[in-house]
Amino acid sequence: EAGVTQSPTHLIKTRGQQATLRCSPISGHTSVYWYQQALGLGLQFLLWYDEGEERNRGNFPPRFSGRQFPNYSSELNVNALELEDSALYLCASSSLGYRNTEAFFGQGTRLTVV
Amino acid sequence: AQRVTQPEKLLSVFKGAPVELKCNYSYSGSPELFWYVQYSRQRLQLLLRHISRESIKGFTADLNKGETSFHLKKPFAQEEDSAMYYCALASGGSNYKLTFGKGTLLTVNP
Repeated sequence: EAGVTQSPTHLIKTRGQQATLRCSPISGHTSVYWYQQALGLGLQFLLWYDEGEERNRGNFPPRFSGRQFPNYSSELNVNALELEDSALYLCASSSLGYRNTEAFFGQGTRLTVV
Repeated sequence: AQRVTQPEKLLSVFKGAPVELKCNYSYSGSPELFWYVQYSRQRLQLLLRHISRESIKGFTADLNKGETSFHLKKPFAQEEDSAMYYCALASGGSNYKLTFGKGTLLTVNP
């Protein structure tokens, strides 16, 4: 069974541009989570999507947004990129957004803003 | 607000020695806690969850509500245990999210 897949693996953008990151969850999973892993800050929760709707978001500005498609894949959009947005962005999926459910992670997209 | 603290960024032990990775949490509700592990060049994966009360790869973790801790322990460390370990707390209901600590890099020396 295919795991969570993310694309692209690496992305280089200039300050002020927009970045779009994509995530395909494990088949059958309806919940998708996005995390930012910046150097020295650990994993910061960004967004949770379930059944096509945004259910929760972390403490990030509105220029971080996303959506979930009918097939449960998801996009993360970062507008007006800033240098400090450079980080590894991880996507995870689970069968339900419940507390005891295991989250399965992708390999991540390395975003570099120059 | 919920918070997970892993006080040690780095932990180095010798093979066969006991290992304990510390995790403390702050949460007003009933916590659900996990340990995730990331081996070199692999993706982050679940190691164990407190509700299962299981031992995985020789690791155990006990939830201590009085001390708000969920330390990960193994009596005899192996070289293949070298990895990044993250403690995580899940909140419930409509505000569900999984909050991670900053991680501890465990190195087991031969």
